[in-house]
Amino acid sequence: DGGITQSPKYLFRKEGQNVTLSCEQNLNHDAMYWYRQDPGQGLRLIYYSQIVNDFQKGDIAEGYSVSREKKESFPLTVTSAQKNPTAFYLCASSIDGLSTEAFFGQGTRLTVV
Amino acid sequence: EDQVTQSPEALRLQEGESSSLNCSYTVSGLRGLFWYRQDPGKGPEFLFTLYSAGEEKEKERLKATLTKKESFLHITAPKPEDSATYLCAVQAGGSEKLVFGKGMKLTVNP
Repeated sequence: DGGITQSPKYLFRKEGQNVTLSCEQNLNHDAMYWYRQDPGQGLRLIYYSQIVNDFQKGDIAEGYSVSREKKESFPLTVTSAQKNPTAFYLCASSIDGLSTEAFFGQGTRLTVV
Repeated sequence: EDQVTQSPEALRLQEGESSSLNCSYTVSGLRGLFWYRQDPGKGPEFLFTLYSAGEEKEKERLKATLTKKESFLHITAPKPEDSATYLCAVQAGGSEKLVFGKGMKLTVNP
């Protein structure tokens, strides 16, 4: 079945550590996105990519990094520079990022301990 | 700056009690307006895309409509399984990004 797979579902990080969240899609979509969701707030865009080897910062990119070496993969690294990383992270993809619907993965809940 | 405001923030309905959710937006040239449903601890599930004022789309008990300033998600005779958070998002012309509202939590009691 086609879809977007995020892993792990739950992730615990010690302060000062970098962690990488995985996002894989087999929909042959060109565009991929990372969002952060906090209670009582809308989804906020961290990074997005419309083609392989290219990506742009979203509204809250500080403390995060991404790569897009393959069309199907868009991993997100939460670095130690991110001051408040505890949140629900969502990956999405769309055909071309232009007025086409985005499909989401099931999310990764990151908790700093 | 593109903005999306959803109201009410939360809504409780009895099973069978129809209602509407509102999504007001300000955007520089609307490319598309999107509705999603999100269950607790899960990713949003796509419902509808609307592109121009006057457009309507339906799916089971849900009907989405669009004007130049707002969109409504009408829920007819809701059931408990319709309980979820409903998200509205817009994409401006010339932008690859979606701007989301804060969502509206719907609870349907049996």
